[in-house]
Amino acid sequence: EAQVTQNPRYLITVTGKKLTVTCSQNMNHEYMSWYRQDPGLGLRQIYYSMNVEVTDKGDVPEGYKVSRKEKRNFPLILESPSPNQTSLYFCASSSTLKGLYEQYFGPGTRLTVT
Amino acid sequence: RKEVEQDPGPFNVPEGATVAFNCTYSNSASQSFFWYRQDCRKEPKLLMSVYSSGNEDGRFTAQLNRASQYISLLIRDSKLSDSATYLCVVNLGGTASKLTFGTGTRLQVTL
Repeated sequence: EAQVTQNPRYLITVTGKKLTVTCSQNMNHEYMSWYRQDPGLGLRQIYYSMNVEVTDKGDVPEGYKVSRKEKRNFPLILESPSPNQTSLYFCASSSTLKGLYEQYFGPGTRLTVT
Repeated sequence: RKEVEQDPGPFNVPEGATVAFNCTYSNSASQSFFWYRQDCRKEPKLLMSVYSSGNEDGRFTAQLNRASQYISLLIRDSKLSDSATYLCVVNLGGTASKLTFGTGTRLQVTL
């Protein structure tokens, strides 16, 4: 089954404790992206990757890091989480070969930083 | 001004009603347009792309007005299962690197 998976789905952590949210897709998509969703603000892009070893900042990259060492994986790293990073996070992927813009989203990770 | 603006709703309509949502975008260079659907606390999923000539998919019709920079979604014969948040999405074009999402319009269909 074609899908994007994220782990963990729910996480409660404390300020300053480094964490990683994993994202994996099995569709051989070149493009992957991370979003956060907050009430009244919609989905905002954090980072994206056009292919392996190619990453770039989105609209709200501060406080986040990413890496793309393999095509299928695109982890999101919070080196020192703060309460303002409490949010719902979505990973997404899409193929760019045909100029296709449909993005497939993972189920989301609900992060709470206390 | 937000890049993509939508009326947040909620739109409360009875089953069987016709409902329309509009969305405006600020960048005239935008090339691709989409409607995504998001159920409560779930991931967004593509509902339909929006083509310049307008397009229809069953009970759903999407329209694009480039001159006025807005897109619309019309839902006919609303079903209870249509209750969700509808996200307007705009892409400047080229690659898929920058999809800009509206904050969504919530639809509640009732008996």
